[in-house]
Amino acid sequence: GQQLNQSPQSMFIQEGEDVSMNCTSSSIFNTWLWYKQDPGEGPVLLIALYKAGELTSNGRLTAQFGITRKDSFLNISASIPSDVGIYFCAGHPNDYKLSFGAGTTVTVRA
Amino acid sequence: KAGVTQTPRYLIKTRGQQVTLSCSPISGHRSVSWYQQTPGQGLQFLFEYFSETQRNKGNFPGRFSGRQFSNSRSEMNVSTLELGDSALYLCASSPHTGGGNTIYFGEGSWLTVV
Repeated sequence: GQQLNQSPQSMFIQEGEDVSMNCTSSSIFNTWLWYKQDPGEGPVLLIALYKAGELTSNGRLTAQFGITRKDSFLNISASIPSDVGIYFCAGHPNDYKLSFGAGTTVTVRA
Repeated sequence: KAGVTQTPRYLIKTRGQQVTLSCSPISGHRSVSWYQQTPGQGLQFLFEYFSETQRNKGNFPGRFSGRQFSNSRSEMNVSTLELGDSALYLCASSPHTGGGNTIYFGEGSWLTVV
């Protein structure tokens, strides 16, 4: 599948900060999925979005399916140390292949 | 409900050998996909199986193959292993194939080729 543009590539967080990341595509997507992956583990599904404009929360996480259907955003509010990891966006365009972003690495600022 | 189960979790093979990895999807899920993850290349799609049929295939050589059984369990095989095949191999399951799908990953099988 085509590659999604995910940004930023990496970010440093301080406990209590709000953080956000986004993914964009040149094509229309039917589904957006957000995952978090800890070292040595498989990606864990955080939020699934199925409709343009949809805004969904999962605890301190909020994600939105862009109105144009070409982008999605993930926000983490009041970050805590266990939020560190790699966050991936993924989406289904009109074909069957799931496309992935390159990931956003979240690290705690020293 | 049990999640996606992959075995083995870790394995070491030597160049030229072959390896078989196994995946049991979430109960009721009929689609199984396989991905290779390496630090430099990220998540690369290998193939997807649905109802025992390969629905999609990524850009990997023929040394990489897979199959799905009638109970939706899937295996992937890599023959004539190369050093560059060292990676985390992830299996993902979903209720059906195509868009509008929610996909769940297993913990992966770490393959090291020496």
